[in-house]
Amino acid sequence: EVQLLESGGGLIQPGESLRLSCAASGFTFANFDMSWVRQAPGKGLEWVSTINGGGTKTYYSDSVKGRFTISRDNSRKTLYLQMNSLTAEDTAIYFCANAGFSAPQYSFGFVVDNWGQGTLVTVSS
Amino acid sequence: QSALTQPASVSGSPGQSVTISCTGTSSDVGAFKSVSWYQQHPGKAPKLILFDVTSRPPGVSNRFSGSKSGNTASLTISDLEADDEADYHCTSFTRSTTRVFGGGTKVTVL
Repeated sequence: EVQLLESGGGLIQPGESLRLSCAASGFTFANFDMSWVRQAPGKGLEWVSTINGGGTKTYYSDSVKGRFTISRDNSRKTLYLQMNSLTAEDTAIYFCANAGFSAPQYSFGFVVDNWGQGTLVTVSS
Repeated sequence: QSALTQPASVSGSPGQSVTISCTGTSSDVGAFKSVSWYQQHPGKAPKLILFDVTSRPPGVSNRFSGSKSGNTASLTISDLEADDEADYHCTSFTRSTTRVFGGGTKVTVL
């Protein structure tokens, strides 16, 4: 069974930094692009960032580019999101997912698309 | 990176059909096959119900169907059931090598 477990969220002051982690199990982690998607309270989903399976290519939304850094440790099967210079607008539940980025991802002929339960980041003074 | 446009809410009675539109531009929805739809119940993670505009993952009911015309994709839920009451989000890949979501649509089963 695929599991994605986010951690690292919490209450933080504006301007500070936070690192989120996402521990993966149940699939060959290194073979899949991984993404962070966030959801502000009562709002829709917002794509944040994606990293390819090898960790060599990263992509960011304009709203976080230059402040957030996505990375992964395939030996630990863990995805990270380093978030710097946080503002109130970054307050959201942060989900990690192995959803397809430019195209669907497949395993043994079946589409792969799994999400964690999310971790809440609250930026407030 | 403007969000895709979805209606805030749609509603229907059990057994009826509802259709949710997702309007983008020629740089996202209109340009790519990679349009997906997610269902999200309150407090839960999103669940993929359609990918590549019309394809359903295993286990997803065939009451969910998708289409696309120009810059607008659509999700139709047929034979509405109580458990279909949820938020629905569309998403598309973009020419900027990013991904964009719609604002989400709340489906209410009357």
